[in-house]
Amino acid sequence: QITLRESGPTLVKPTQTLTLTCTFSGLSRSSGGAGMGWFRQPPEKALEWLALIYWDGNTRYSPSLKNRLTITKDTSKNQVVLTMTDLDPVDTATYYCAHSTYHDSAGLYFDYWGQGTLVTVSS
Amino acid sequence: QSVLTQPSSVSGAPGQRVTIFCAGSRSNVGAGYDVHWYQQLPRTAPKLLIYGSIIRPSGVPDRFSGSKSGTSASLAISGLQAEDEADYYCQSYDSSLSDWVFGGGTKLTVL
Repeated sequence: QITLRESGPTLVKPTQTLTLTCTFSGLSRSSGGAGMGWFRQPPEKALEWLALIYWDGNTRYSPSLKNRLTITKDTSKNQVVLTMTDLDPVDTATYYCAHSTYHDSAGLYFDYWGQGTLVTVSS
Repeated sequence: QSVLTQPSSVSGAPGQRVTIFCAGSRSNVGAGYDVHWYQQLPRTAPKLLIYGSIIRPSGVPDRFSGSKSGTSASLAISGLQAEDEADYYCQSYDSSLSDWVFGGGTKLTVL
């Protein structure tokens, strides 16, 4: 069974750094797939892709946020960690992690998602 | 403003068919990148509905179908059911932005 679960603080002060952890099971490089990604969704707004880490360790970041983001993985713990610096109230959102799969005939898509964790940025 | 453009809302009566369009450009859908669709039921995480523009994952009813042409894609839902009431998002890759991009989402209301 494939499960993903995000964890981290629910309230962060402006200018602080946010660290979110995605703990997963049933997924690995050997099970196929491209890697793991992070997304966010502000209240009543659309989804936004933030970062992706491939199983080989290569990383990709949203160009608009790349200076503030770091994504890492700990394969031994089945975890992917996202760090975002210099938080602002506009960063208030539900943050999701998701597994990605790539096929030549279908492109890269996100097939398994965590339940999400709401992070509020406020003083 | 989302890179992929979707109508903010659509509606239909039970049993009817609705189509949700996703308009892109030459740097994403028009460049040949596939479109993927996600269903987000109220207060839940997104769920993959269609990948590779036309492929249904195992377990997704065949009432859901996707298509792509030129710089646009669409999601059709036939035989509408109350349980289909949700937000639907299209997603692709944009080569100009080097970004995986989403549409703004479409809220489907089953009347």
